Amino acid sequence: KNQVEQSPQSLIILEGKNCTLQCNYTVSPFSNLRWYKQDTGRGPVSLTIMTFSENTKSNGRYTATLDADTKQSSLHITASQLSDSASYICVVSLKGPQRGSQGNLIFGKGTKLSVKP
Amino acid sequence: DGGITQSPKYLFRKEGQNVTLSCEQNLNHDAMYWYRQDPGQGLRLIYYSQIVNDFQKGDIAEGYSVSREKKESFPLTVTSAQKNPTAFYLCASSMGTLETQYFGPGTRLLVL
Repeated sequence: KNQVEQSPQSLIILEGKNCTLQCNYTVSPFSNLRWYKQDTGRGPVSLTIMTFSENTKSNGRYTATLDADTKQSSLHITASQLSDSASYICVVSLKGPQRGSQGNLIFGKGTKLSVKP
Repeated sequence: DGGITQSPKYLFRKEGQNVTLSCEQNLNHDAMYWYRQDPGQGLRLIYYSQIVNDFQKGDIAEGYSVSREKKESFPLTVTSAQKNPTAFYLCASSMGTLETQYFGPGTRLLVL
């Protein structure tokens, strides 16, 4: 079964600290992996996208890694800011044409990050 | 100013009533999607459309209906058959089904 598991479920850190969020997946055939940031009550916004051959991608203070062999990804946030408080969602795409009722995207449940002053 | 918009931001439904959520995009995207988000759960696909006048059921289509008469618009109707409609509804669009999806701001549906 195609699944995306994220950990931790929630995380509280102090402003200025670094943190790492984890995403493990069992999705096949794999096309790409995206990290989205979702502020409370808003729609998700794409942070990074990585294909099979990419193992690191940065977007400002956000750095995503991908290990396609172990089927793991991480999102590292450097020097956290209060505005980083949000849910971070890992999304894995299936390769190929639209696949049935689940669609081509498999969503994780997200990690809720709270940055405290 | 390109983007994807949803309205209303909040919607209240009385028992037995059908309500329609609006989704519009001016990104010239072919594909559009509707998701439902419940607390502690990942996004679940309700319906998607790859092209005008065509749409497919997602995992949780029961109690919902859609239309795709125009490329820019993909309204979702929550019918009285949907017994647990309280949720946050997200619309998204993409160039193709394998491309990055861009999400609207969402509509929160509450039952009176």
